[in-house]
Amino acid sequence: GAVVSQHPSRVICKSGTSVKIECRSLDFQATTMFWYRQFPKQSLMLMATSNEGSKATYEQGVEKDKFLINHASLTLSTLTVTSAHPEDSSFYICSARDLAGPDTQYFGPGTRLTVL
Amino acid sequence: AQSVTQLDSHVSVSEGTPVLLRCNYSSSYSPSLFWYVQHPNKGLQLLLKYTSAATLVKGINGFEAEFKKSETSFHLTKPSAHMSDAAEYFCVVTNSGGYNKLIFGAGTRLAVHP
Repeated sequence: GAVVSQHPSRVICKSGTSVKIECRSLDFQATTMFWYRQFPKQSLMLMATSNEGSKATYEQGVEKDKFLINHASLTLSTLTVTSAHPEDSSFYICSARDLAGPDTQYFGPGTRLTVL
Repeated sequence: AQSVTQLDSHVSVSEGTPVLLRCNYSSSYSPSLFWYVQHPNKGLQLLLKYTSAATLVKGINGFEAEFKKSETSFHLTKPSAHMSDAAEYFCVVTNSGGYNKLIFGAGTRLAVHP
């Protein structure tokens, strides 16, 4: 089946630093990837839609200058949390839409970000 | 606009008994519907999906769901719960157009007791 990986799985950083999270589709091509944020015991909140070769589309209320998204290839999207603060601590999950199955998204295992 | 309501935030069952997780949806279009499962500190795994084919959808690990348009429901069932089924379950609908955004329900936490 389709596999999506994320790296790192966990990251701890100091306030004010930037953190980059990678999302890769391992065995399929994904023109569209999605980034979600999940707070403890809550559902997933879509942050942005990432399209290969173009600018990401951000959901209302998500700061595009704080959460930088790059989708440079059909198998890789990155999310960079710039000048991180403790309130950015969360579980970040990406998903990728398989070109062969437009209605199905496959999710990565998530990245736990802790900002001290 | 599309929306999803999961009617129970918590469900507790005994091992070996049936599981029922309820989901109602609202959609202006013929929706695609999904159930995902999330184990603690893990990503989401697709259990099953409905995309306008057979209304009874069979998924992995013995789960199945029935699409009922008249009731706007897509309840998830399993005949016999296993301890490993304990997790968070999300009912999901696609937005209009069906290609992009997933609209998530609030989730149902399933507990399975010995």
